[in-house]
Amino acid sequence: DTEVTQTPKHLVMGMTNKKSLKCEQHMGHRAMYWYKQKAKKPPELMFVYSYEKLSINESVPSRFSPECPNSSLLNLHLHALQPEDSALYLCASSQSGLAGNTDTQYFGPGTRLTVL
Amino acid sequence: AQSVTQLDSQVPVFEEAPVELRCNYSSSVSVYLFWYVQYPNQGLQLLLKYLSGSTLVKGINGFEAEFNKSQTSFHLRKPSVHISDTAEYFCAVTWRIQGAQKLVFGQGTRLTINP
Repeated sequence: DTEVTQTPKHLVMGMTNKKSLKCEQHMGHRAMYWYKQKAKKPPELMFVYSYEKLSINESVPSRFSPECPNSSLLNLHLHALQPEDSALYLCASSQSGLAGNTDTQYFGPGTRLTVL
Repeated sequence: AQSVTQLDSQVPVFEEAPVELRCNYSSSVSVYLFWYVQYPNQGLQLLLKYLSGSTLVKGINGFEAEFNKSQTSFHLRKPSVHISDTAEYFCAVTWRIQGAQKLVFGQGTRLTINP
């Protein structure tokens, strides 16, 4: 099973709202990723967690707050977003992220976020 | 830093025709290359990857790619496309930073299959 699930599929929120995106995998992977994808663009890395610890933060604004409560779950907490944050948010996971650069990242279907 | 360049933003082809999607990479160290496909309103799915060994890599859905070190290329090919191959295709390279693996994508190639 190479499935990464994401909820919700769609989310519409106002600029003053607080919401969370959820990602889950049961492949025993120890590295998890958040990407942001704007229309007609490639995914851009936001955060990397390795063994439940934040390894990479690609200078993402603090209105995005990641959380990795355990090895299977990854959350992205959203607060005071701007309309330009509207995008497809993709979660991915890989075996460990420690064995060089050969791990395959498996992607979820994404959450399409609209900020009004 | 490692990077990939996809030379064509759009490729239109007729059904059952062959197709080649071009990808060139830039790297000063060992390189690991991937091709992902993204169907409309979906996430990314791995088509194939090159880690080492044979330079001709076979993937899912009849796709294959050839790693060419001298030309720093990793072009994706399919001998006969189907309407269902209409999608966005991303070439990607991995490299390590801050103890973690980073996947860097090209700009993508939109493959459109015409009947």
